[in-house]
Amino acid sequence: GEDVEQSLFLSVREGDSSVINCTYTDSSSTYLYWYKQEPGAGLQLLTYIFSNMDMKQDQRLTVLLNKKDKHLSLRIADTQTGDSAIYFCAETPREGGSQGNLIFGKGTKLSVKP
Amino acid sequence: EAEVAQSPRYKITEKSQAVAFWCDPISGHATLYWYRQILGQGPELLVQFQDESVVDDSQLPKDRFSAERLKGVDSTLKIQPAELGDSAMYLCASSLSDGGGTEAFFGQGTRLTVV
Repeated sequence: GEDVEQSLFLSVREGDSSVINCTYTDSSSTYLYWYKQEPGAGLQLLTYIFSNMDMKQDQRLTVLLNKKDKHLSLRIADTQTGDSAIYFCAETPREGGSQGNLIFGKGTKLSVKP
Repeated sequence: EAEVAQSPRYKITEKSQAVAFWCDPISGHATLYWYRQILGQGPELLVQFQDESVVDDSQLPKDRFSAERLKGVDSTLKIQPAELGDSAMYLCASSLSDGGGTEAFFGQGTRLTVV
């Protein structure tokens, strides 16, 4: 069945790069996503990548996709204290599905130390 | 800026009582989703609507949960009777359509505590 796995915690120092990793099982997923959730808040879409791409860059965010290994990563350059949050990896369970019908991982809690 | 509105933000209820949550999607969004997020977990889809019709409710515990979107706009999710294990954040999301990659927008959620 579909499953998305993430490490639960990551701690970095302010100014360093953060790399959050994710593995997924559904090879038919057409889009893969990264969401951010701050304490007590809903989900904010950070970025997404189409499955025929292997990299996408958006300002401080870089997404790498290794479709062969079903591995997705999110790199945050120059991590700031405001980046402290839980980051969720998610995939669409069916081809052509919208971004609302998603399978989420359990989330990686990023802690940024000054 | 348009956003998905949910109410209440917080709800405490006793087990065996009924509880309801409301969601108002972004205007014009045909697709609406309800997710449940248990503490420490990722969100899990409960139900998906396309206009007023249910598209996917395979993960909805139908013995106690119900959802409706009568006029294809706002939606209500109900739990009756509530159980301790229902304590979670309930998130609503909406998107213009169900088409490939269409962006979904999430509300701030309703945090339910069952005591």
